[in-house]
Amino acid sequence: EVQLLESGGGLVQPGGSLRLSCAASGFTFSGYAMSWVRQAPGKGLEWVAAISGSGGIIFYTDSVKGRFTISRENSKNTLYMQLDSLGAEDTALYYCAKGTNVDHPYFFDYWGQGTLVTVSS
Amino acid sequence: ETVLTQSPATLSVSPGERVTLSCRASQNIEIYLGWYQQKPGQAPRLLISDASRRAPGIPPRFSGSGSGTDFTLTISSLEPEDFAVYYCQQRRNWPPLTFGGGTKVEIK
Repeated sequence: EVQLLESGGGLVQPGGSLRLSCAASGFTFSGYAMSWVRQAPGKGLEWVAAISGSGGIIFYTDSVKGRFTISRENSKNTLYMQLDSLGAEDTALYYCAKGTNVDHPYFFDYWGQGTLVTVSS
Repeated sequence: ETVLTQSPATLSVSPGERVTLSCRASQNIEIYLGWYQQKPGQAPRLLISDASRRAPGIPPRFSGSGSGTDFTLTISSLEPEDFAVYYCQQRRNWPPLTFGGGTKVEIK
């Protein structure tokens, strides 16, 4: 059974940092691209970042470029995202999502339950 | 960036009715569109990929169609558990991967 378990969210002040983690199980982790997708309270879905199965291909949405860093550790079946210079607009539930292809996420066939990031003073 | 526009924003329907949801892309995305269902407090669930391919375990009452810029998700006979928000997502022109704004299917 595929499982994705996010952690690392919390309350942080504007300008602060957080590191999100996603522990994966039930599939060959290195065989699939992974992404972070976020959802602001009461709003729709927004793709944030993607990383290929090998970790060699990385993409970000423009609003987080230079502030967020996605990475993965295949030996530990874990996906990460470092969030720096956080602003109120980053407040959201952050989902870890498994892509349907090794190099590019394409679509997301499994999702975690999300970890909440709240940016507020 | 490819913008996806979903309509209507909200649809009020009764169980057993046939439901048609629309997703329009701002540029040609060929067949590379997917549909997700999200219930309150839950993560999204993939229903359809590449316009018409049902994901494993998805009931046949869900079907997708379309190509180019106009796409449709049809629920042939709405079940009580189908009341949810539905999102479309494109993978043709990325980054960024983009989602539509969602259609809420509510009980009439």
